[in-house]
Amino acid sequence: QQPVQSPQAVILREGEDAVINCSSSKALYSVHWYRQKHGEAPVFLMILLKGGEQKGHDKISASFNEKKQQSSLYLTASQLSYSGTYFCGTEILGQNFVFGPGTRLSVLP
Amino acid sequence: GAGVSQSPRYKVAKRGQDVALRCDPISGHVSLFWYQQALGQGPEFLTYFQNEAQLDKSGLPSDRFFAERPEGSVSTLKIQRTQQEDSAVYLCASANAGRGALEQYFGPGTRLTVT
Repeated sequence: QQPVQSPQAVILREGEDAVINCSSSKALYSVHWYRQKHGEAPVFLMILLKGGEQKGHDKISASFNEKKQQSSLYLTASQLSYSGTYFCGTEILGQNFVFGPGTRLSVLP
Repeated sequence: GAGVSQSPRYKVAKRGQDVALRCDPISGHVSLFWYQQALGQGPEFLTYFQNEAQLDKSGLPSDRFFAERPEGSVSTLKIQRTQQEDSAVYLCASANAGRGALEQYFGPGTRLTVT
């Protein structure tokens, strides 16, 4: 079952913050985050395993709330290079890896 | 090192033609995934290989779709008697271990247009 992402799209000014949410109705083993720029392949950002961990690198971090089956991606002090479509991917043990519908992020100068 | 490569990058096929799409994963990567991505949508899972074994083909939309990875490295996705609804970008991804909780490295995709 496809996870739900919100918002569908967001427009920011350079330096502003954003949060993208991903939720599932199923018990998740892991949540993955990818960014895809137009016409390019998805690029891995990070994986979060069940256990409610939080990860981050540079100004992008994420959390995974196992009880709510929800993950959030935090983009801090956004840069122009952050523009693209962000996909969460959810993994349930023994089942297919499923991508969400994506959140389109536009960072303007 | 070299990433995942796919060929051709673009393919135009007339309805009813057969097509073959190739994926060269990162050397040594055990896992290989095929996805179909329609315009404005997230990638949708098609099939998964661990080495040469096709462990999951539940995402293949019809029996016109067939994938193989005979020597556990290069993989080919074949679509027989193409239909207009097959038009999409076909993405291949590889990972360096078994199926769970892996970082997937994606290729650039093959954009298939069926006319």
